[in-house]
Amino acid sequence: GAVVSQHPSWVICKSGTSVKIECRSLDFQATTMFWYRQFPKQSLMLMATSNEGSKATYEQGVEKDKFLINHASLTLSTLTVTSAHPEDSSFYICSARDRPIHQPYEQYFGPGTRLTVT
Amino acid sequence: DAKTTQPPSMDCAEGRAANLPCNHSTISGNEYVYWYRQIHSQGPQYIIHGLKNNETNEMASLIITEDRKSSTLILPHATLRDTAVYYCIFHTGGFKTIFGAGTRLFVKA
Repeated sequence: GAVVSQHPSWVICKSGTSVKIECRSLDFQATTMFWYRQFPKQSLMLMATSNEGSKATYEQGVEKDKFLINHASLTLSTLTVTSAHPEDSSFYICSARDRPIHQPYEQYFGPGTRLTVT
Repeated sequence: DAKTTQPPSMDCAEGRAANLPCNHSTISGNEYVYWYRQIHSQGPQYIIHGLKNNETNEMASLIITEDRKSSTLILPHATLRDTAVYYCIFHTGGFKTIFGAGTRLFVKA
């Protein structure tokens, strides 16, 4: 199947700083990308959906000014956690889809990025 | 948001079949059922999907009831590496993929 990569795989940052996570679709064009966060022993929680060239659509309760999402090309989306705090420590996972209109959807997930804010 | 119901956890002996049930009573006629799994500290992995007919691939089989309100994922010969959280999902209306709590499958030697 198609491959989605994330970089970095893990990051430690100090409270108050910003950190950027990249998500790339390596062998297909991702017209839609999704960002999830996951706390220990919990399920994935959808944060936002982004279409290439458009503003991201955030889920209820997700601060768009804190979690900046950019989907500038068909192979790259970035999530920037601004002014990070310890409670932002989590596992962030991106996902990409290449056929957004008709089911069945082929959706591929990245390996995740472990963020620790100290 | 799409809602599915799965048992929180299941055990299975290595080499035996693992049957993971999922209720999706609100699924509409043109919505596919998808199964993913997540091994600890990794991203979800696609397993299989289906609409009405039963499906089989190299990883698993998917049995969908005639009324489409429930389905069962079958791992025919579970191995220790199949220990993971298994998610059953479907998309309602739009195309967001919303994950429920999933089933934590423990495969024991």
